[in-house]
Amino acid sequence: EDQVTQSPEALRLQEGESSSLNCSYTVSGLRGLFWYRQDPGKGPEFLFTLYSAGEEKEKERLKATLTKKESFLHITAPKPEDSATYLCAVANTGGGNKLTFGTGTQLKVEL
Amino acid sequence: SQTIHQWPATLVQPVGSPLSLECTVEGTSNPNLYWYRQAAGRGLQLLFYSVGIGQISSEVPQNLSASRPQDRQFILSSKKLLLSDSGFYLCAYIHSYEQYFGPGTRLTVT
Repeated sequence: EDQVTQSPEALRLQEGESSSLNCSYTVSGLRGLFWYRQDPGKGPEFLFTLYSAGEEKEKERLKATLTKKESFLHITAPKPEDSATYLCAVANTGGGNKLTFGTGTQLKVEL
Repeated sequence: SQTIHQWPATLVQPVGSPLSLECTVEGTSNPNLYWYRQAAGRGLQLLFYSVGIGQISSEVPQNLSASRPQDRQFILSSKKLLLSDSGFYLCAYIHSYEQYFGPGTRLTVT
């Protein structure tokens, strides 16, 4: 059974204070690892897909990296508008595009 | 481009009442569609998925059912709601192997 564990559960940063969110996963065969951003009361917003170990993707202040056991979402010089819950999910090669999600990291960036 | 709609946005229903939530997708044909539930403090739980009209796969035994009467319409239903059915219900579609979510329906069963 696929499993995704995210840490920390919650993170408070000062504006400009860089940090990383962790997503550890176990999957029989990884088809893709996905990062989403979710604002309160909204549906998750797609950020990145990573397919193989060593892959990296960037978008504005966010950079996602992937190893064989975990993924990191690095946030560089965050701003208050980066405050949200960040969700990680995996799809396995035999899963028919079904995703297994972690419980998320709730990020708050303060002035 | 594709867009996904869900309604209603919020719903308060008494225990034992029926439920019907609707999801529609525009800008794509024969999409794979998914229903998830998100409970407070928990991750998204896949409830149902559909690869085509009339084709429904259930992931979790429960008080809910799903139907796909049209290519781009996905409906989540219940005959009698339970308190444990409360949560945030999300519909999603696949595009280029990536899932995109709708705005969600907040269901409170009282």
